[in-house]
Amino acid sequence: ELKVEQNPLFLSMQEGKNYTIYCNYSTTSDRLYWYRQDPGKSLESLFVLLSNGAVKQEGRLMASLDTKARLSTLHITAAVHDLSATYFCAVEKPTGNQFYFGTGTSLTVIP
Amino acid sequence: KAGVTQTPRYLIKTRGQQVTLSCSPISGHRSVSWYQQTPGQGLQFLFEYFSETQRNKGNFPGRFSGRQFSNSRSEMNVSTLELGDSALYLCASSLDLSGGYEQYFGPGTRLTVT
Repeated sequence: ELKVEQNPLFLSMQEGKNYTIYCNYSTTSDRLYWYRQDPGKSLESLFVLLSNGAVKQEGRLMASLDTKARLSTLHITAAVHDLSATYFCAVEKPTGNQFYFGTGTSLTVIP
Repeated sequence: KAGVTQTPRYLIKTRGQQVTLSCSPISGHRSVSWYQQTPGQGLQFLFEYFSETQRNKGNFPGRFSGRQFSNSRSEMNVSTLELGDSALYLCASSLDLSGGYEQYFGPGTRLTVT
């Protein structure tokens, strides 16, 4: 079974600082997705990465994918309080039709 | 356009009962996936349906079942409920889960088993 690991599990960072969340997975896949979940809410799609070397940016968040290393990163630049949430990466099964989610990273941005 | 809707939003059931949850995907989406989210196990894939056919199933007991109708609406059923089935059940729709398309998640159904 495909395993997806995220680290760190918990992240407390000050406003204005930069940090990176890592997502490692165990089996070759070219498709990786990042989601955000606010407390008590559903998941919101952030990024869809469909090939090796893919990089997507939206506001203070930037995601990248290295399929050879089986690694994706979510980089946060100059964090603001509104970014406080849990972030999940999800990997698509190579044969399709199934997603495997990481454990999630709970991010708290403090003033 | 309207998002993914799930009903009911909250449900309390007793051990041994059964429950049916409903999901209406975004118009035009033919793929519907179901997930169970718990604090201990995280987000786990239950099954995926595309054009009324189950294409994939996660590692859950046979008490968990689902179906999809011709209008792409989907239901999942859990029989003989156990305390451990208490969870947030999320449904997601996409144009085609195997096509690199985004999944859009519904608000979830919070199931509590007592």
